Order: sequence, then structure tokens, then C-alpha cells
Amino acid sequence: DAMVIQNPRYQVTQFGKPVTLSCSQTLNHNVMYWYQQKSSQAPKLLFHYYDKDFNNEADTPDNFQSRRPNTSFCFLDIRSPGLGDAAMYLCATSTGFFGANEQFFGPGTRLTVL
Amino acid sequence: AQTVTQSQPEMSVQEAETVTLSCTYDTSESDYYLFWYKQPPSRQMILVIRQEAYKQQNATENRFSVNFQKAAKSFSLKISDSQLGDAAMYFCAYRSGETSGSRLTFGEGTQLTVNP
Repeated sequence: DAMVIQNPRYQVTQFGKPVTLSCSQTLNHNVMYWYQQKSSQAPKLLFHYYDKDFNNEADTPDNFQSRRPNTSFCFLDIRSPGLGDAAMYLCATSTGFFGANEQFFGPGTRLTVL
Repeated sequence: AQTVTQSQPEMSVQEAETVTLSCTYDTSESDYYLFWYKQPPSRQMILVIRQEAYKQQNATENRFSVNFQKAAKSFSLKISDSQLGDAAMYFCAYRSGETSGSRLTFGEGTQLTVNP
């Protein structure tokens, strides 16, 4: 089945130690998103790619970076994780970034910062 | 900026009963899209139902239907014949149809419990 896959599902890192989360999709969608979701809160969009065009949300900390080497893969790099970065990170895809386009979500990576 | 409000942090329903989740939004736009997403525990978020603002007819997907009141800026979700698998966090979301490349704006979510 076509899907959005996130690895790992659980990631533990130490304060200040760089960490990379990965997302892959078999849907061949143009748009890939990264969201941060803290406990019992709504997902917060960090950035998205439309093909190779990178779009950063204005309030996304500089500590967060992303790479999309090809259509299928997208990575979230957290350069120096702080305790406040502990959260669920959701990857999503869609065919376009407009209108009634459905977003397809991965299962998320839960990040713990020690 | 648009805002989405879900005034019920938690709701519960008995299996086989009907429950309605509330959502209101604030916008000055006339062209937009509304969504309900479901996030089960430890599973990925999935789209439940969507509504185009230009359509007067309320969207329906099997046991799920919406009551879209454009003038009141209200978009409630009705779940009929509730099942144990409906237990999840439900998010209402808004997307502009007037701004190119607009993002989803989510509400804070409603945690639905289904009691056997």
C-alpha cells in the first residue's frame, strides 16, 4: 500500500546532541510537510517542500532544518535539541498545497530529549 | 489571520449512540475549505471528511456527516452509530481558498472516548 513512513518511531537524544528524523513516501506527492505536535495540542507546521522549493514558517526556530534530496525522502534535522523540543514529529504529504487537497500523515516520531 | 476553535476538549459517547463535535472558525474570506482529521492513539492522523465552503450541501461519509453553517462560521461533526474504533483525537482544520499556497490551521482538538 502507498504510504508515508517515518523512522524511527521513537528517538531518544541528549540535550544538545544533533538528531535527524526521516520520512519517506510512496505516494509520489509533490508536497512534504513537517509538523511538531506537543502533548494534547494541535500539530504546528514547521516547514514544507513543494518539490524542491523549501518554505519555512516564520516562527520555526533556526535550530530546525530540513532536507529533501528527492521526491520520496525528507529529513528533519534538529541541530541542538533542547528539552522544549521533546514532541511528536509528524511528516505529511499532499499532491498540492492548496484547496481541498488531503494531507496524508505518517505515524510520527516521538522525540525524547534527556 | 484565521482561527479555529474547538470548545470541547473531551467528549464521550456510548457505543452505537450519536455524538456531535463542535468547531467554529473566524475568517473574513468567502472561499475556503474545512476538514475534520482523526488521530487515533499511536496511529497516524487520517482525513475523516472535508467541506468546500462554496457548497451548500453538507458533506457525508458513511457514519460521519457535518453541519456546515457558513453564516455562523460553524462546522460540527456528527458521528452516528459510534464504534469503539472511533475513539481518537479529532481536529477541525481550515484552509484558505483565496491565498495561494495556504496552510492548514488546526483547532486544539477534541478527545473522543467511546464507552462499550
